Amino acid sequence: GQSLEQPSEVTAVEGAIVQINCTYQTSGFYGLSWYQQHDGGAPTFLSYNALDGLEETGRFSSFLSRSDSYGYLLLQELQMKDSASYFCAVRGGHQTGANNLFFGTGTRLTVIP
Amino acid sequence: DGGITQSPKYLFRKEGQNVTLSCEQNLNHDAMYWYRQDPGQGLRLIYYSQIVNDFQKGDIAEGYSVSREKKESFPLTVTSAQKNPTAFYLCASGDTGQPQHFGDGTRLSIL
Repeated sequence: GQSLEQPSEVTAVEGAIVQINCTYQTSGFYGLSWYQQHDGGAPTFLSYNALDGLEETGRFSSFLSRSDSYGYLLLQELQMKDSASYFCAVRGGHQTGANNLFFGTGTRLTVIP
Repeated sequence: DGGITQSPKYLFRKEGQNVTLSCEQNLNHDAMYWYRQDPGQGLRLIYYSQIVNDFQKGDIAEGYSVSREKKESFPLTVTSAQKNPTAFYLCASGDTGQPQHFGDGTRLSIL
């Protein structure tokens, strides 16, 4: 079967660093994406890893280890506006098509003062 | 501005009624997608279309139908056969290997 595991909830302090992990078990794999979704809003793309290693985009970084079927999203200098749900999604991890995304159930991040 | 427009934002369905959710994109993307999101859950793929006049079932296509007569439009019909239609519906578009861009969603409820 196909599955993505990520923590359901994470709480962190404003200004701190938080890491959201994602492990996957899928029928195929082309890359791991991360999306942010505020309550009631649309998911927005944050980062994508096709190869092992770290990708950095401003305060956000994402890491992938294909041999471990594992990735994480790292958020630095947390701000209150970072409170949202974060989804990992495997591209190619979907039985319906090589380019489709298979989403995890999301991690709800709460940033506290 | 380029983007994806979903309408309506809120929709109510009566028992036995079919309703259609609109999705339009001006990003010139070939592929379009429909997802369903239930509270506290991830996104599940309903239907997708890689090219005009072609579409494929996703994981949860039962009770739904789509059409792709134009590149920029991918409407979703929630039929009376879908017994639990209350959810947040998201439309997305993208090119191969590129991130998917999402619309603002339609929240469907049952009267």
